[in-house]
Amino acid sequence: GAGVSQTPSNKVTEKGKYVELRCDPISGHTALYWYRQSLGQGPEFLIYFQGTGAADDSGLPNDRFFAVRPEGSVSTLKIQRTERGDSAMYLCASSLWSGKAYNEQFFGPGTRLTVL
Amino acid sequence: KQEVTQIPAALSVPEGENLVLNCSFTDSAIYNLQWFRQDPGKGLTSLLLIQSSQREQTSGRLNASLDKSSGRSTLYIAASQPGDSATYLCAVDSNYQLIWGAGTKLIIKP
Repeated sequence: GAGVSQTPSNKVTEKGKYVELRCDPISGHTALYWYRQSLGQGPEFLIYFQGTGAADDSGLPNDRFFAVRPEGSVSTLKIQRTERGDSAMYLCASSLWSGKAYNEQFFGPGTRLTVL
Repeated sequence: KQEVTQIPAALSVPEGENLVLNCSFTDSAIYNLQWFRQDPGKGLTSLLLIQSSQREQTSGRLNASLDKSSGRSTLYIAASQPGDSATYLCAVDSNYQLIWGAGTKLIIKP
């Protein structure tokens, strides 16, 4: 079946604008994760959904960042009043379940966000 | 707080050599450990997942080991090829979120 997909693949915006990044997980995966990767670094956890609810949003850097998953499938990461420091690769992953030894997270190709 | 470290940060070796990449973590209470490959400007490709109860996993020329008690994992690449050039990242699953190292940038010289 299809893997995790993310749109757009690239997004260039101006400082202060609002952006939405979309993630379509593997069908049947109940857990969905967002990570952010700055250049030359490993990814950092942002938020995790189990079904429709955000089970852990402790990684969101501030209140300009928000994510939803209203029907337990597609998720949207929303960033308000973008800043140049928000420029990064935004990665989405999904898994069948969470918190178990055999949980494998499958990653999408990422969205490269550039804030000018 | 879980922290993951990868050494070395960069490695350049001639084609055909066997090599080892290292990953260490500070909290042994993990569910699993994954190794990923990332090509420049691209997303992540999962290479191997080792469950917390396992000692190693193999896939082709890759072998990953896990020593939970000492907080270490190694990724062994046999008979390296120029196509293996990429950044290799390890990540530990500490209760649903992955905690990542900064990666090892590997260059295989033809």
